[in-house]
Amino acid sequence: TQLLEQSPQFLSIQEGENLTVYCNSSSVFSSLQWYRQEPGEGPVLLVTVVTGGEVKKLKRLTFQFGDARKDSSLHITAAQPGDTGLYLCAGAYGNNRLAFGKGNQVVVIP
Amino acid sequence: EPEVTQTPSHQVTQMGQEVILRCVPISNHLYFYWYRQILGQKVEFLVSFYNNEISEKSEIFDDQFSVERPDGSNFTLKIRSTKLEDSAMYFCASSEQYNSPLHFGNGTRLTVT
Repeated sequence: TQLLEQSPQFLSIQEGENLTVYCNSSSVFSSLQWYRQEPGEGPVLLVTVVTGGEVKKLKRLTFQFGDARKDSSLHITAAQPGDTGLYLCAGAYGNNRLAFGKGNQVVVIP
Repeated sequence: EPEVTQTPSHQVTQMGQEVILRCVPISNHLYFYWYRQILGQKVEFLVSFYNNEISEKSEIFDDQFSVERPDGSNFTLKIRSTKLEDSAMYFCASSEQYNSPLHFGNGTRLTVT
């Protein structure tokens, strides 16, 4: 069983602050995907990281894949209220099967 | 931007009844998936499908579940005899290639009473 643990589960910060959330596993994944999920909707893909040590940027969001391809982090710079949401990480293994974490719920207070 | 569409958005059924959940994957995608999310829990893999056959299935996907691609556009999940514990959001997803990122639909909320 592939387990992904996301921490912290819940994070509340003021607008303009920076934050980092984490996705950790003891398993190696062929790639790792970050999604954002709004209530009552499906996960929306933000980024895929494939290579150990890879860093990808999406505007104010920076995603890093660990060197051993077991963990990842998401850093948000100068958070905005629009960044509020549930961030899910998902590791790919097998026949492109994804193992999801429970998510990092981020709340940005104006 | 192309998207995965799912119908219905909400399905209520009685225990023991059959349900069919429908999905239209992105048109040039070759790999199709069903996931489910029980309220408050993780998104869980059910099944993957490629070239008109199941590629992989989880332990959740027992003989009460089946998938089908009845035509060139639809991808369905059938639950033969629903149980209370089948109540969940069911998400369809598709990907262009093996190991390409998955694109999810907005889900069908299944409520079994």
